[in-house]
Amino acid sequence: DTEVTQTPKHLVMGMTNKKSLKCEQHMGHRAMYWYKQKAKKPPELMFVYSYEKLSINESVPSRFSPECPNSSLLNLHLHALQPEDSALYLCASSQDHRANGYTFGSGTRLTVV
Amino acid sequence: KNEVEQSPQNLTAQEGEFITINCSYSVGISALHWLQQHPGGGIVSLFMLSSGKKKHGRLIATINIQEKHSSLHITASHPRDSAVYICAVNFNTGNQFYFGTGTSLTVIP
Repeated sequence: DTEVTQTPKHLVMGMTNKKSLKCEQHMGHRAMYWYKQKAKKPPELMFVYSYEKLSINESVPSRFSPECPNSSLLNLHLHALQPEDSALYLCASSQDHRANGYTFGSGTRLTVV
Repeated sequence: KNEVEQSPQNLTAQEGEFITINCSYSVGISALHWLQQHPGGGIVSLFMLSSGKKKHGRLIATINIQEKHSSLHITASHPRDSAVYICAVNFNTGNQFYFGTGTSLTVIP
């Protein structure tokens, strides 16, 4: 298995909802990443987990809460989002902290209404 | 300062044309990636380079470490090549990716 799988592919949520995005890989990668991408812009790094510990938080608002329950799974919990949070959320993984074997998921298209 | 610059920003080509997209970066890197993203879609990694040249089908990627420059070439372009192509680098300083602003390619039949 050489993929990073993200679910759901599309999500529409209200500003008072709580939802979660899921990212899974079975390549034995020990670093996992969340990115946010707005239309016609490059991805922006949100969080980095290395060996299941949060190593980088790029000053992301607390309404986004990452979780890494094990080395294969990365979640992004969403609560009280704003319409401007609507974007493509991409997950990626790599073999180690040196970013070898970097692999992206296909993303979750999030719309906040 | 860690910077990645891509050119051109937008490119329109006729089917069959040879296409080149360029990427320059500011300081030493451990690896450079060329990525492809179709409209509304996820990102697919095309190549990872740390030196030399790689070829996959009609795609060729080269990197010149001394000049801090990489190119992505597409031979015999086809409308299905229409996508955004993004250069991303790992600088020697860490494990983060730094992305170029992307090149939006449209290939007209």
